[in-house]
Amino acid sequence: KNQVEQSPQSLIILEGKNCTLQCNYTVSPFSNLRWYKQDTGRGPVSLTIMTFSENTKSNGRYTATLDADTKQSSLHITASQLSDSASYICVVSERGGTASKLTFGTGTRLQVTL
Amino acid sequence: SQTIHQWPATLVQPVGSPLSLECTVEGTSNPNLYWYRQAAGRGLQLLFYSVGIGQISSEVPQNLSASRPQDRQFILSSKKLLLSDSGFYLCAGGGSSYEQYFGPGTRLTVT
Repeated sequence: KNQVEQSPQSLIILEGKNCTLQCNYTVSPFSNLRWYKQDTGRGPVSLTIMTFSENTKSNGRYTATLDADTKQSSLHITASQLSDSASYICVVSERGGTASKLTFGTGTRLQVTL
Repeated sequence: SQTIHQWPATLVQPVGSPLSLECTVEGTSNPNLYWYRQAAGRGLQLLFYSVGIGQISSEVPQNLSASRPQDRQFILSSKKLLLSDSGFYLCAGGGSSYEQYFGPGTRLTVT
């Protein structure tokens, strides 16, 4: 069964610090991996998308990495800001699949404090 | 770029009442459309998806139904709500199976 596991479940960091969120998956055959940011009570917003051949992608202070061999991805947030407080969701797509072939992680809840 | 509109933002309904949530898409034609439910502290669960007008696929058996009367309109309905239907409902759309732009969501509380 395809699974996406994220860690940690939750994280509290001080403003200005860096942090790294992890995503491990068992989806096969792999197509692409996305990281979303979801503010409380809002819809998810895409941060990055990576295909099999990409091992890093940046979006401002967000940098995602992908190791397709070990089926691991990470999202690194640099110089965190209060506005980074949100849930971060990892989503993996199965190659050749339909909409039902997207597997969502349960997210990491990040809180940035003063 | 695409914009997904959803309404209402919040809804409180009694058990046994009907439900209709609407989603519309701007910025693309013939999109794939999706309804998800997100329970508190849980991941997104795909409920329905549609690749065209009148074409609906259901992922999980449930008390809900979906319809797509127009190319860029997707409706989630129920004839009689259950307590277990409470949750955060998200509509998403995209030009391909892997493209997912999400709407702002509807918080449904069934009392």
